[in-house]
Amino acid sequence: KQEVTQIPAALSVPEGENLVLNCSFTDSAIYNLQWFRQDPGKGLTSLLLIQSSQREQTSGRLNASLDKSSGRSTLYIAASQPGDSATYLCAVTNDYKLSFGAGTTVTVRA
Amino acid sequence: DGGITQSPKYLFRKEGQNVTLSCEQNLNHDAMYWYRQDPGQGLRLIYYSQIVNDFQKGDIAEGYSVSREKKESFPLTVTSAQKNPTAFYLCASSAIFGASTDTQYFGPGTRLTVL
Repeated sequence: KQEVTQIPAALSVPEGENLVLNCSFTDSAIYNLQWFRQDPGKGLTSLLLIQSSQREQTSGRLNASLDKSSGRSTLYIAASQPGDSATYLCAVTNDYKLSFGAGTTVTVRA
Repeated sequence: DGGITQSPKYLFRKEGQNVTLSCEQNLNHDAMYWYRQDPGQGLRLIYYSQIVNDFQKGDIAEGYSVSREKKESFPLTVTSAQKNPTAFYLCASSAIFGASTDTQYFGPGTRLTVL
């Protein structure tokens, strides 16, 4: 069974600092890995999707890397802003199903 | 505007009562999903449907039931057999089930509380 772990569970940084969020998974036979954002009491919004054959994806200030062999992914958010405050969830696809981590809750202090 | 709607936003259930959560999408997606989210835990899959008139159990299907009579609708019923139903419920859809390039789009969620 796939296990997805996100460390740390919470993170607080001053505005302008770069954010580094970590995700690890136990079964490397994945189809893809996705990063989602969730605001309090809301649904999830997809940020980046990395296919299993890719090493990274970029969108604006966001960059996500994938190392399948070691079962790790990292989400980098450059020059953080208060609007980046949210919970970020990592999810991997095995056997056509998504397995989610518990998320990292980020607070960016103005 | 294309998207997924869920209703109601908040729902309260008494002991022994069945309740139904609504999920509608106008994205013309084939696949739809129901997840449960508890504090400090990742989302867990309850049921999924690859196409109309088809659905399969996810990891935590006990105490829940679904139907998929229309492509755009995938309602979830929380039955009295579900012993701990208080949670945040999220519905999602994707264009094609299981495609490696495909992401899931999520609705805004329904918060269910047992009184």
